[in-house]
Amino acid sequence: GAGVSQSPRYKVTKRGQDVALRCDPISGHVSLYWYRQALGQGPEFLTYFNYEAQQDKSGLPNDRFSAERPEGSISTLTIQRTEQRDSAMYRCASSLEPRGAGGPGKTQYFGPGTRLLVL
Amino acid sequence: AQKVTQAQTEISVVEKEDVTLDCVYETRDTTYYLFWYKQPPSGELVFLIRRNSFDEQNEISGRYSWNFQKSTSSFNFTITASQVVDSAVYFCALISTNTDKLIFGTGTRLQVFP
Repeated sequence: GAGVSQSPRYKVTKRGQDVALRCDPISGHVSLYWYRQALGQGPEFLTYFNYEAQQDKSGLPNDRFSAERPEGSISTLTIQRTEQRDSAMYRCASSLEPRGAGGPGKTQYFGPGTRLLVL
Repeated sequence: AQKVTQAQTEISVVEKEDVTLDCVYETRDTTYYLFWYKQPPSGELVFLIRRNSFDEQNEISGRYSWNFQKSTSSFNFTITASQVVDSAVYFCALISTNTDKLIFGTGTRLQVFP
């Protein structure tokens, strides 16, 4: 089936504006993750969901960042009052099974990412 | 704390050369999984392999092979007879059974010249 999809692929916004980034996971995948990747770095964890429940949001940098997954499928990462330091690649991933499952369930498959540029 | 170190920032080789990408990890967990991902110039992040902490058998898939050694906490990746299409940034990552966060290294940029 289809892989993880993200929209928009590119987003340019002005400082102070709110942005909403969308992720559509692989069909049937229970877990959904958000990561942020700065240029020249590896992705860094932001938050994740099992079904519709947000399990861990320890990676969200501050309270301007929030995420939801109301029906256990599509997720939205929202950044309020964007700042230039928020510019990065935002990546979404999904995996088949929730925490506690074995290796195959732990494998995270990534979408193409949304490149955010805050001017 | 968990950590993944990829000491090689950038490697350049000529086509058909063999190349090994190093990965060293730190974790206190006894059960964990190690991964390699490929990020080609187009930017997506592609899963290559997963290895669990109980399985130290080396794995070969075509021109790719992986050497997992718990004694040295390393999970190295070798490309045999490299090709231009192998040019990409390669990330090593770690996840334990106690969390669901992937911990990534900083990546190694591989450039294969014709």
